[in-house]
Amino acid sequence: DIQMSQSPSSLSASVGDRVTITCRASQSISSYLHWYQQKPGKPPKLLIYPASSFHSGVPSRFSGSGSGTDFTLTINSLQPEDFATYYCQQGYNAPYTFGQGTKVEIK
Amino acid sequence: QVQLVQSGAEVKKPGASVKVSCEASGYTFRSYAIHWVRQAPGQRLEWMGWINTDNGNTKYSQRFQGRVTITRDTTASTAYLDLSSLRSEDTAVYYCARDEGLTALDYWGQGTLVTVSS
Repeated sequence: DIQMSQSPSSLSASVGDRVTITCRASQSISSYLHWYQQKPGKPPKLLIYPASSFHSGVPSRFSGSGSGTDFTLTINSLQPEDFATYYCQQGYNAPYTFGQGTKVEIK
Repeated sequence: QVQLVQSGAEVKKPGASVKVSCEASGYTFRSYAIHWVRQAPGQRLEWMGWINTDNGNTKYSQRFQGRVTITRDTTASTAYLDLSSLRSEDTAVYYCARDEGLTALDYWGQGTLVTVSS
């Protein structure tokens, strides 16, 4: 199975900050990397796929980059509604594994 | 609008089975695969398997091989997850999700809490 690891596991940031989350795959997954946002008690929402394209309705302050094994999700000018947990998922090979999540908290 | 509506919460005893449904609306059911993902309390999302809603082909995570069955009823636009031989570690919220292509999951059900307890 492909292992996905995210860093950091959590971070504290202020409204207006720029935040970067990284995701690393244990082997190359080309660009088959997707990013999700999850709020407590809710299902995940697709943000970016594969690697750098927006899902419809996702604000342009979110962006993704990377290929191979290393990927990043950047949130420019963090907004109050962005405080959540973010997960990466590889869509290259089944089982389609997720990272452990990055919790973005208010500083 | 696209919606996936799942069946309600379940409480099961160890060793029992559970069947969770996922009714799709707002799009052509057979045009998109459905995946099942679960999340135990405080844990990461865990992919369980998926079904090609057009031809019924399935693929499962080896972690659940032999215990999980995913089926669909195209006339009812509904997918189902069957999980057998339940143990306490199976206590989780179970989600269905639509595959927009490239295995990106663009619409999710609201989740079904399955509690396994004696």
